[in-house]
Amino acid sequence: AQKITQTQPGMFVQEKEAVTLDCTYDTSDPSYGLFWYKQPSSGEMIFLIYQGSYDQQNATEGRYSLNFQKARKSANLVISASQLGDSAMYFCAMRALNGNKLVFGAGTILRVKS
Amino acid sequence: DTEVTQTPKHLVMGMTNKKSLKCEQHMGHRAMYWYKQKAKKPPELMFVYSYEKLSINESVPSRFSPECPNSSLLNLHLHALQPEDSALYLCASSQVSLAGNTGELFFGEGSRLTVL
Repeated sequence: AQKITQTQPGMFVQEKEAVTLDCTYDTSDPSYGLFWYKQPSSGEMIFLIYQGSYDQQNATEGRYSLNFQKARKSANLVISASQLGDSAMYFCAMRALNGNKLVFGAGTILRVKS
Repeated sequence: DTEVTQTPKHLVMGMTNKKSLKCEQHMGHRAMYWYKQKAKKPPELMFVYSYEKLSINESVPSRFSPECPNSSLLNLHLHALQPEDSALYLCASSQVSLAGNTGELFFGEGSRLTVL
């Protein structure tokens, strides 16, 4: 079974500063993928970044980077230079390599202050 | 614009009504999903279709009936729903596995369902 834990129900960050959203996971699958999604108040789930369990380097996508520490089973999302439009719910999720089931954490609400 | 299209965006129905939610994608994905999401909660998986066959049913009540007529379409038929079924219903599609690709799920904008 897979489990995703996000321990921060809500976070505040000042505009233009960086913020880290925490995610830890547990799985018995030897190969898996970790994902971060953003969900604004409109409801659409927006894919941000992906990290494969065998990837040697941490994933980066523009202002988003994933701090992957496999031994600690953590996959934290770092958002640099926060913008007001980053205010949203953020979900960490996991999927087994050969599985179709994407399991989500509880989510973290991020609010960017001007 | 999202590449997964869901209709209708909003639906209000009584407990005796029969209605359907529709989802369409043209990305060539062979896995399609239905998720249910309550306010301020994560999406909960309901059904997964892989190669047009139902591969996962997360013990969903029979008042929800999925259908995958072809590789591009996914329906969710609703009948005799309860007020607690009111939620955002999200459709998604993806490659069948992560092998050789990132395998992210592409989500539609959702259908917001209210059961009176």
